[in-house]
Amino acid sequence: DTGVSQDPRHKITKRGQNVTFRCDPISEHNRLYWYRQTLGQGPEFLTYFQNEAQLEKSRLLSDRFSAERPKGSFSTLEIQRTEQGDSAMYLCASRADSSGANVLTFGAGSRLTVL
Amino acid sequence: AQSVTQLDSHVSVSEGTPVLLRCNYSSSYSPSLFWYVQHPNKGLQLLLKYTSAATLVKGINGFEAEFKKSETSFHLTKPSAHMSDAAEYFCVVRLDTGGFKTIFGAGTRLFVKA
Repeated sequence: DTGVSQDPRHKITKRGQNVTFRCDPISEHNRLYWYRQTLGQGPEFLTYFQNEAQLEKSRLLSDRFSAERPKGSFSTLEIQRTEQGDSAMYLCASRADSSGANVLTFGAGSRLTVL
Repeated sequence: AQSVTQLDSHVSVSEGTPVLLRCNYSSSYSPSLFWYVQHPNKGLQLLLKYTSAATLVKGINGFEAEFKKSETSFHLTKPSAHMSDAAEYFCVVRLDTGGFKTIFGAGTRLFVKA
């Protein structure tokens, strides 16, 4: 499979626990994006990497959220001290620099449920 | 300010009848516009994109969209709905100011009745 992979697909956790999601982009894509999608809403931008550099963070990304892309390949999104409001689908997308029209390829998402 | 508005949260059509999903945008810059589809438990998939070439854009699965600058609209259409078209559709605007400025509409859920 040469698409964008996300793991785990589903995560149920108790409030206060930490969770980590992983995204493996398409191998030749140097740009990687994280979005959050809540029920009935479109995806909201969280953060963006060009290679290993995190170039932009949304105000939605509180101090409890951290994203990394240490080697410019896969990325992780960690949420510390989860809250019920963090329950959402976390989407990863990637694109190549040559994709001038900013065509994003999305993964299937990681659904988080915080009890 | 830049935004995208999908005018209908739900659209219901009968199989074999036309589909119209409406989208209006506002942008201070020349936008790139996209439609994505999201099937249950699947990732977002690009249907079509407009990037200032032809105003009528053809996409996959028989969908097309027309960019109308005067109306700031980018409505998605299909002549004949199929049961497999039932999904959530997102209108998306990308601003030409940076690779991360991609704004999604709230989505329109399409129901197709047999």
